[in-house]
Amino acid sequence: RKEVEQDPGPFNVPEGATVAFNCTYSNSASQSFFWYRQDCRKEPKLLMSVYSSGNEDGRFTAQLNRASQYISLLIRDSKLSDSATYLCVVNGAGGSYIPTFGRGTSLIVHP
Amino acid sequence: DAMVIQNPRYQVTQFGKPVTLSCSQTLNHNVMYWYQQKSSQAPKLLFHYYDKDFNNEADTPDNFQSRRPNTSFCFLDIRSPGLGDAAMYLCATSRSGSSSTDTQYFGPGTRLTVL
Repeated sequence: RKEVEQDPGPFNVPEGATVAFNCTYSNSASQSFFWYRQDCRKEPKLLMSVYSSGNEDGRFTAQLNRASQYISLLIRDSKLSDSATYLCVVNGAGGSYIPTFGRGTSLIVHP
Repeated sequence: DAMVIQNPRYQVTQFGKPVTLSCSQTLNHNVMYWYQQKSSQAPKLLFHYYDKDFNNEADTPDNFQSRRPNTSFCFLDIRSPGLGDAAMYLCATSRSGSSSTDTQYFGPGTRLTVL
């Protein structure tokens, strides 16, 4: 089983839709969690950190479920510019503070 | 202002011809990482430096070497590139590498083509 797993998609949604991605991790001792956004042929950029209590940043909401070992990202009112790959990153998945990446979930928002 | 800089942005080399990719940072971060990313795949960690302390991933081929002459600079040397080494190479930094809340800052990447 991979340490960090994501559904690669693509998720193809119309503008204005709400879409959610999940990411599961295998190491229950993992300590911190992040969502990164990666545009085509560009570097990953931090979208948001994920806290135990969940956090919200505008149209984006991230939540952590430690019992089931997954994190989620919810995007409301999707924009065309949200089209990208969303990478789940877990710190401590391998027992260290070295981040472990999921393979990413591709989102395509169409008019 | 760019905080993690990678040069060149695009590199074309011939099969077997050594190539060096460079990364520099203005963040004064302790940790620097090199990742290889192929199309539709997760970034794959090759190695990282915790200050001057080099840490190689177990499955990183011997063909890949790295140098970190000072805090700001880190180099990736590919001694004999093969066709399978064509990829995007990403450099990243993080502040301490010893905190669960450390986040990574990525450079724009170098896209390597092997002919």
